[in-house]
Amino acid sequence: GAGVSQTPSNKVTEKGKYVELRCDPISGHTALYWYRQSLGQGPEFLIYFQGTGAADDSGLPNDRFFAVRPEGSVSTLKIQRTERGDSAMYLCASSLGGGGETQYFGPGTRLLVL
Amino acid sequence: QKEVEQDPGPLSVPEGAIVSLNCTYSNSAFQYFMWYRQYSRKGPELLMYTYSSGNKEDGRFTAQVDKSSKYISLFIRDSQPSDSATYLCAMTAQGGSNYKLTFGKGTLLTVNP
Repeated sequence: GAGVSQTPSNKVTEKGKYVELRCDPISGHTALYWYRQSLGQGPEFLIYFQGTGAADDSGLPNDRFFAVRPEGSVSTLKIQRTERGDSAMYLCASSLGGGGETQYFGPGTRLLVL
Repeated sequence: QKEVEQDPGPLSVPEGAIVSLNCTYSNSAFQYFMWYRQYSRKGPELLMYTYSSGNKEDGRFTAQVDKSSKYISLFIRDSQPSDSATYLCAMTAQGGSNYKLTFGKGTLLTVNP
């Protein structure tokens, strides 16, 4: 079956611009996660959705980052006033439920802020 | 000190070698331990999932967890060029935040034909 998909696969933007990154989870998965992976590092947790609500957004680095999941399926990660330090791979994962179930990752969106 | 330490390598071995990858951690609350494989410019793919201490084997892969030493390992037998990738250890606590994976930096492995 279809796995987690993310669009775009690559995004180049200029400092100060706004970007949106999209994640389509596996059908029927209620839990969705965003992670950020900088070059040479492991992924770091950003936010966890259970259904439509953000159950834990403690990993979002600052208020320029925001994520939504209005219908409990597709999620969008939004970054305002991008900075060069935001350049990274943004990974989305989904799981059947929350609570420690296996997380399946998408291919990621590679963001480059010039 | 980071919660999870993993030697980033790189590690280069000949085809057929036994590969040993490992991570140490400091948080004694971690109960679930995972190994992910990540090919270049792709998302991580789950390889092994173990709970608490002990061994788990799946084909050429064996995962070991030693909670008393806060040390986990992944062994790859008869390594193949297709095993060339970055291997990430990940772990999570039991209870309320058990969805939050904490990853190591990853070890870059190259298996040479």
